[in-house]
Amino acid sequence: EPEVTQTPSHQVTQMGQEVILRCVPISNHLYFYWYRQILGQKVEFLVSFYNNEISEKSEIFDDQFSVERPDGSNFTLKIRSTKLEDSAMYFCASRSIAGGHYTGELFFGEGSRLTVL
Amino acid sequence: GESVGLHLPTLSVQEGDNSIINCAYSNSASDYFIWYKQESGKGPQFIIDIRSNMDKRQGQRVTVLLNKTVKHLSLQIAATQPGDSAVYFCAERARDSSYKLIFGSGTRLLVRP
Repeated sequence: EPEVTQTPSHQVTQMGQEVILRCVPISNHLYFYWYRQILGQKVEFLVSFYNNEISEKSEIFDDQFSVERPDGSNFTLKIRSTKLEDSAMYFCASRSIAGGHYTGELFFGEGSRLTVL
Repeated sequence: GESVGLHLPTLSVQEGDNSIINCAYSNSASDYFIWYKQESGKGPQFIIDIRSNMDKRQGQRVTVLLNKTVKHLSLQIAATQPGDSAVYFCAERARDSSYKLIFGSGTRLLVRP
């Protein structure tokens, strides 16, 4: 079964360092997303990406965050200067264009846990 | 704002019984709702969805009910199995959104053997 894969599974970094989280979405999917989940809290939307541009972003997704699709398979989230409060599980997700606006099949990866010290 | 916390409401059921998990959503403009299951250490997994023009939708062993009057969503799981033990989140999407999902705070389902 096709799946979204994320690397690394866990990254520990010092405050102020740059971090890049990587995702390989499902191959025929065209919509890509990043969500995050602080320990014990809700899953929160960060950004959606389609046709090589951001289509929507949340207030969390400030200038420290950026996304990129550097090639035909990878989708990355970069945090330029990490803060303690960036510690969370970051989930990449993708979905197919099939089903149009209402398809619920947003496939999530298993997440990358970021710990900022 | 949204309320968050470290303590999840927990529903404990006997294996074989039916489970009902409830969710209150916040935005009357939301047009699409989804239930996700999240097992420990994993990402959310799609269970079932429903559009705002429907009241009920059934899947395999699961049923979602939508009451727009009181902005309430429920997930019914028939003949609950140990593998159903997980945290369940409802999520809503605003009508004009590009798939920005707003997740609820989650309910932990524990299935007793």
